[in-house]
Amino acid sequence: DAKTTQPPSMDCAEGRAANLPCNHSTISGNEYVYWYRQIHSQGPQYIIHGLKNNETNEMASLIITEDRKSSTLILPHATLRDTAVYYCIVRREYGNKLVFGAGTILRVKS
Amino acid sequence: DTAVSQTPKYLVTQMGNDKSIKCEQNLGHDTMYWYKQDSKKFLKIMFSYNNKELIINETVPNRFSPKSPDKAHLNLHINSLELGDSAVYFCASSQAVQAGKRGQETQYFGPGTRLLVL
Repeated sequence: DAKTTQPPSMDCAEGRAANLPCNHSTISGNEYVYWYRQIHSQGPQYIIHGLKNNETNEMASLIITEDRKSSTLILPHATLRDTAVYYCIVRREYGNKLVFGAGTILRVKS
Repeated sequence: DTAVSQTPKYLVTQMGNDKSIKCEQNLGHDTMYWYKQDSKKFLKIMFSYNNKELIINETVPNRFSPKSPDKAHLNLHINSLELGDSAVYFCASSQAVQAGKRGQETQYFGPGTRLLVL
């Protein structure tokens, strides 16, 4: 699975959009971009995933660059409850396992 | 109802003991996993079972033995516990999807079991 690079931490003001970047320059054509988050002391929670098109669901939006070498997770209106570690994971089409990196610690502040 | 549940939530035990952690999912999924999160907070997969058959074993010591009595359960038994086994263990499950949608199996995680070996 391709390696991902994320900033170690970010701050965001409550109510503002949180934009979390991820680099995956070695991604191959059949690999998906997944985002999970882990709120303190809880199990990881699925957020969103995509292959090459931008995706949106009730939690977030995922913007993938045209060359697929990077992506951005957008939380449109961050709340204090969004404070968590956010993991960007690149996963093979036929792969079962999720390979977690260090992730980005997002701190939402009032 | 909790989708993926684990018991116990906390486990404190002495070195050398044998212990088990249980996992149950009520999502009707056919694939289950065990992950370990160590003190440095890195999450790593240990095992994966599909329809009660082992499909992933990530160089885990053979003191760890997963057991899947049925598709809804994947238990983790640990023999001769060592200090380095102290960690949070997460169970997860997913449903294999049909060809053409592979790579889109979302994994759902349990709340974790915090194991402390003294």
